[in-house]
Amino acid sequence: EAQVTQNPRYLITVTGKKLTVTCSQNMNHEYMSWYRQDPGLGLRQIYYSMNVEVTDKGDVPEGYKVSRKEKRNFPLILESPSPNQTSLYFCASSLIGGRHGYTFGSGTRLTVV
Amino acid sequence: AQSVTQLGSHVSVSEGALVLLRCNYSSSVPPYLFWYVQYPNQGLQLLLKYTSAATLVKGINGFEAEFKKSETSFHLTKPSAHMSDAAEYFCAVSQRESSNYQLIWGAGTKLIIKP
Repeated sequence: EAQVTQNPRYLITVTGKKLTVTCSQNMNHEYMSWYRQDPGLGLRQIYYSMNVEVTDKGDVPEGYKVSRKEKRNFPLILESPSPNQTSLYFCASSLIGGRHGYTFGSGTRLTVV
Repeated sequence: AQSVTQLGSHVSVSEGALVLLRCNYSSSVPPYLFWYVQYPNQGLQLLLKYTSAATLVKGINGFEAEFKKSETSFHLTKPSAHMSDAAEYFCAVSQRESSNYQLIWGAGTKLIIKP
């Protein structure tokens, strides 16, 4: 089944403790992206990647890092999480080009206390 | 920069009634437009997309949307609402900035189905 797999689904952590949210897709998509979803603010792009070793900032990159060492994987790293990073996070992938739309993962609900 | 406006953060309809969710976009070039649905505690699922072919686009679960360039609209409709349609619906437009094919999102509309 074609899908984007995120882990974990739920995570509660403490301020300053490094964490990684994994994302993997099995569709051979070149484009991958991370979004956060907050009430009243909709979805905002954090980082995106056009292909292996090619990443760039989205609209809200502060406090996040990503890497793209393999085509299928695009982990999101929070080096020192803070409470304002409490949010619902989605990974998405797509073929290159704006006409295809995204395939989304099921989301990761992160709480930083 | 492009923007997407969804009219109504909440829309309530009776089961069996017409569903109409409104979406307007701003774009200086022919856009690619999308509707996504998000069920509680789940990810976003593509309902349908407009990519400059037919202006009336049919999607999954009986939904369809019509692209109207003169009105810069892409409203989502379904003739008869089911209880299972209760979810949040997002309209999005594809925007290209350098190498980033980013989706610009509306704020979402929660569809409430009354028995």
